Amino acid sequence: EVLLVESGGGLVQPGGSLRLSCAASGFNFSSYWMTWVRQAPGKGLEWVANINQDGSNKNYVDSVKGRFTISRDNAKNSLYLQMNSLRAEDTAVYYCAGNFDYWGQGTLVTVSS
Amino acid sequence: QAGLTQPPSVSKGLRQTATLTCTGNSNNVGDRGAAWLQQHQGHPPKLLSYRSNSRPSGISERLSASRSGDTASLTITGLQPEDEADYYCLAWDSSLSAWVFGGGTKLTVL
Repeated sequence: EVLLVESGGGLVQPGGSLRLSCAASGFNFSSYWMTWVRQAPGKGLEWVANINQDGSNKNYVDSVKGRFTISRDNAKNSLYLQMNSLRAEDTAVYYCAGNFDYWGQGTLVTVSS
Repeated sequence: QAGLTQPPSVSKGLRQTATLTCTGNSNNVGDRGAAWLQQHQGHPPKLLSYRSNSRPSGISERLSASRSGDTASLTITGLQPEDEADYYCLAWDSSLSAWVFGGGTKLTVL
């Protein structure tokens, strides 16, 4: 069974930092592009970042460039998203996805004072 | 980053056919097509179709995707109550080096 389990979400003040993790199992993690997608409350899906199989190629949506960093550890079957300088508009459920085939249940990030 | 354009809502009757559209440009949909995802309220998205022309295993044959120029379409035949959901298109934009989503279409089955 394929499982993607996100963790690390929570309430953080504007300007703060959070590190999201995504633990993968049930598929060949190291063969997949991995992606973070977010969904603000009551809104649509927004692609945030992706990373290729060996971590050498990373892409980001303009609104997070310079603030967020995507990374992975294939030995641990894990994906990460380091989020710095958080803003209210970053408030969303953050999903990790493998090639868009596999999705986690999401973790909620709330940026508020 | 500009997204793809989808109608906000579509309503069809039970057992009817719904066609959802997604319009982009030559850098995204017109280049490599679009994928389609379904999301039921309170659940993560689910991939329905890759790049406008293939279905992952386990996806109903009632769903089919196509593309004409810069517009991708998802057709769902014999609508069932469980088809009521939000549908998103997604495409790689080669000019942005980024994935772009459509705003989503809420499909209501009457």
